[in-house]
Amino acid sequence: AQTVTQSQPEMSVQEAETVTLSCTYDTSENNYYLFWYKQPPSRQMILVIRQEAYKQQNATENRFSVNFQKAAKSFSLKISDSQLGDTAMYFCAFQPGAGSYQLTFGKGTKLSVIP
Amino acid sequence: SQTIHQWPATLVQPVGSPLSLECTVEGTSNPNLYWYRQAAGRGLQLLFYSVGIGQISSEVPQNLSASRPQDRQFILSSKKLLLSDSGFYLCAWGQNYEQYFGPGTRLTVT
Repeated sequence: AQTVTQSQPEMSVQEAETVTLSCTYDTSENNYYLFWYKQPPSRQMILVIRQEAYKQQNATENRFSVNFQKAAKSFSLKISDSQLGDTAMYFCAFQPGAGSYQLTFGKGTKLSVIP
Repeated sequence: SQTIHQWPATLVQPVGSPLSLECTVEGTSNPNLYWYRQAAGRGLQLLFYSVGIGQISSEVPQNLSASRPQDRQFILSSKKLLLSDSGFYLCAWGQNYEQYFGPGTRLTVT
């Protein structure tokens, strides 16, 4: 079974600064997908960024980027130019390759952006 | 574009009462549909998923059930609620390997 670990329960960052959230996972699969979801106070889960394991290039979406280290089974999220609206819970999630339907989530990191 | 709806947004129910939560998706056909539960301060736990009408897979044995009477409708039910059923329930739809979530239902069992 896959496991996803987020070792930072809470983090804070000053507005306009950069912050990195950590995620590690454990799997015996070779083909899989990784995601970061954001859950603001409204509690709706929003897909932030995704990474396919077969792609060596790190995914980027505007101010959000990942550092995917497949051998180390590490998948960190970097938020640049942090904004107040980035305050939220952030969840790392893992999905095995095609044919699987189960997302495994970490327990989340609560990020606070300080003005 | 695709839209996912859930209702009700909040619900307070006594122990032993029945439950029905509804989820509908617009703007797509034959999506995979999912029910998750999020307990306070924790991540999401997959409860059920469906790949088509009438096809339901259960991930966690409990007193909840799910049904998919129409292609874009997914219902979570219980005949008798337990205190432990309290939580935040999220419906999601997916195609390929991505999942998109609805606004959720906060259920409090008293």
